[in-house]
Amino acid sequence: NAGVTQTPKFQVLKTGQSMTLQCAQDMNHNSMYWYRQDPGMGLRLIYYSASEGTTDKGEVPNGYNVSRLNKREFSLRLESAAPSQTSVYFCASRGGTENTEAFFGQGTRLTVV
Amino acid sequence: AQSVTQLGSHVSVSEGALVLLRCNYSSSVPPYLFWYVQYPNQGLQLLLKYTTGATLVKGINGFEAEFKKSETSFHLTKPSAHMSDAAEYFCAVSDPTGKLIFGQGTTLQVKP
Repeated sequence: NAGVTQTPKFQVLKTGQSMTLQCAQDMNHNSMYWYRQDPGMGLRLIYYSASEGTTDKGEVPNGYNVSRLNKREFSLRLESAAPSQTSVYFCASRGGTENTEAFFGQGTRLTVV
Repeated sequence: AQSVTQLGSHVSVSEGALVLLRCNYSSSVPPYLFWYVQYPNQGLQLLLKYTTGATLVKGINGFEAEFKKSETSFHLTKPSAHMSDAAEYFCAVSDPTGKLIFGQGTTLQVKP
C-alpha cells in the first residue's frame, strides 16, 4: 500500500529550466493538492483538484501549472524555474469531503540556482 | 475565508513537562480542524481531527485537542512530553470548497 508517491525526491534546476513534479495516489481519492513548504511560512497551497477533470488555484499559483491526468495522478509543472521557487513540495490527497484527512507524500526538495 | 493562526513558531519544553501548542481559527461556517505532525525529512501525518460531536478529541501518541467555539481555538496538548515528540506541528482547517489551509507551524523542542 504505497499511499501517495512523489517523484523525484530531489532536484536541482538552473534558472529558466522547466520540470514536472509527479504525484500518484492509490487510495481512490477524489481530491489532490500541491503545497510548498518554506521556513516560517508553513504549507502554502499552490493548486488543488477537487475531482478528476477540475483544478483550482490556491494561495500561491504564480509560476506553476498543474494537470490532473486521471484520478490517480496530479502533476505540477514549473515552466521557467526561478530561485524563489526553491522549496520543498508536497503532494497530498484525500477522499473529497471536508471532514476527511489528507495523506501526504514524502516531498520533493527542489533547488533552483 | 477560512484561516488558522498558530501562536509561537518555536516551543521548548523539558521531557515530562506539559506540551501546549496553540491554534486559533477563523471560519464563517462550523469548521473541520486538524493537527498534523512532521518529523524531519518526512511528510505530514495526522495526529487528530475535529469534525462534529465531542469537543475533546484524542489522537495518536497521547496528544489531544479541545475545540472551543467561543474562543475560536483548537489547542493541542500532551500531559508529558517525550523526546520523540520533537517535530514540527501544523494546525489546519478545511474549507467548504475543498481546500485544506495550514497554519505557519510550530517547532517543538524537547530538552532532556
